[in-house]
Amino acid sequence: NAGVTQTPKFRILKIGQSMTLQCTQDMNHNYMYWYRQDPGMGLKLIYYSVGAGITDKGEVPNGYNVSRSTTEDFPLRLELAAPSQTSVYFCASRRGQGAYQPQHFGDGTRLSIL
Amino acid sequence: AQSVTQLGSHVSVSEGALVLLRCNYSSSVPPYLFWYVQYPNQGLQLLLKYTTGATLVKGINGFEAEFKKSETSFHLTKPSAHMSDAAEYFCAVSEAGGTSYGKLTFGQGTILTVHP
Repeated sequence: NAGVTQTPKFRILKIGQSMTLQCTQDMNHNYMYWYRQDPGMGLKLIYYSVGAGITDKGEVPNGYNVSRSTTEDFPLRLELAAPSQTSVYFCASRRGQGAYQPQHFGDGTRLSIL
Repeated sequence: AQSVTQLGSHVSVSEGALVLLRCNYSSSVPPYLFWYVQYPNQGLQLLLKYTTGATLVKGINGFEAEFKKSETSFHLTKPSAHMSDAAEYFCAVSEAGGTSYGKLTFGQGTILTVHP
């Protein structure tokens, strides 16, 4: 029963490099989300998806891109890494359309950009 | 637009003492409310949620929260703190209906420290 799996757990990037944060879920959830967590700021929504092929921007999308080709996977792409993107990134998923349903979170990817 | 305010970024209690973590929200439509807990180097785990019905909600690990519409509050309590309760706690709101797609708006978090 893996739930939401994120890889890698830790990564250090140089300014200007690119990388993809992987997220996969095995619960057949339609809704998936990417958040970033900064100290004292709570979690901010980057992008979300309501199903394969459908994505939309959240609160802080600049500098990121996403795709959703399958129900299971929702990768987050950083094209030109900047120090401001140093953060902890969380992927989450939710079963269906009802907003009362809780989101299930992965363990996060800790990203440092130097 | 919805927002969440958690009063107190750090709360410290003694083991066995009452835990009270405060959360106030604003929402233009009836909200769904959640409390999540985050242990060090882990993801967020659902503690409890309020959707409809009974305003006193019981969750895991002995925690409970009361939805008070008149005060726009959803404070989290536990009668007796345990060392294992030390973690960061997040209050979150999701709006029913509309095109919010169940997006969560989080408070800034409260770090709970439990002293022996």
